[in-house]
Amino acid sequence: QKEVEQDPGPLSVPEGAIVSLNCTYSNSAFQYFMWYRQYSRKGPELLMYTYSSGNKEDGRFTAQVDKSSKYISLFIRDSQPSDSATYLCANALLGGSQGNLIFGKGTKLSVKP
Amino acid sequence: NAGVTQTPKFRILKIGQSMTLQCTQDMNHNYMYWYRQDPGMGLKLIYYSVGAGITDKGEVPNGYNVSRSTTEDFPLRLELAAPSQTSVYFCASRYPQGQGSTEAFFGQGTRLTVV
Repeated sequence: QKEVEQDPGPLSVPEGAIVSLNCTYSNSAFQYFMWYRQYSRKGPELLMYTYSSGNKEDGRFTAQVDKSSKYISLFIRDSQPSDSATYLCANALLGGSQGNLIFGKGTKLSVKP
Repeated sequence: NAGVTQTPKFRILKIGQSMTLQCTQDMNHNYMYWYRQDPGMGLKLIYYSVGAGITDKGEVPNGYNVSRSTTEDFPLRLELAAPSQTSVYFCASRYPQGQGSTEAFFGQGTRLTVV
């Protein structure tokens, strides 16, 4: 079983819609959860990160982690055409030599004007 | 601020040729990574390093080798190129957890085609 599972989409929504992107993970030792955004032909860039269960909000973006069900979500409110990109969830362990950083497959999002 | 620099940006290799993908970072990050990205397949970890002289295999290490003689540089070596290694390769670096931001910074990628 792959450690981080993510529906690759593609997902197409109209401008202004609320977008929900989801990941599940299998390794309960993961303690650090991230969302990266990748525009076409570019490297990924960090969008949000969190260490704990619960919600973290940043402008139109909310990251949600439920460690009990090993479920990670990213919500985008009032989506804009500029949000069109691939969104990758990523998990990492904390401490010591645990440098491994695991990504999901990414979900390709298209926001139509 | 250069960040993570990858060279070359593009390369076409013939089957059986070898090459080294270069990656250097100027942020004094301990952790460095090599990923490959195939269409619709996300980022697959090839190798990673938690510091100079220390490397470890990721999910898809076969056909690749790495070295980490300095904190700044983390080259990826392909010895006998195969068509299955056609992909976009990304190098990334970050601090260990507990030492400042744990954000991983990525290079712009190297597009490799093996024919």
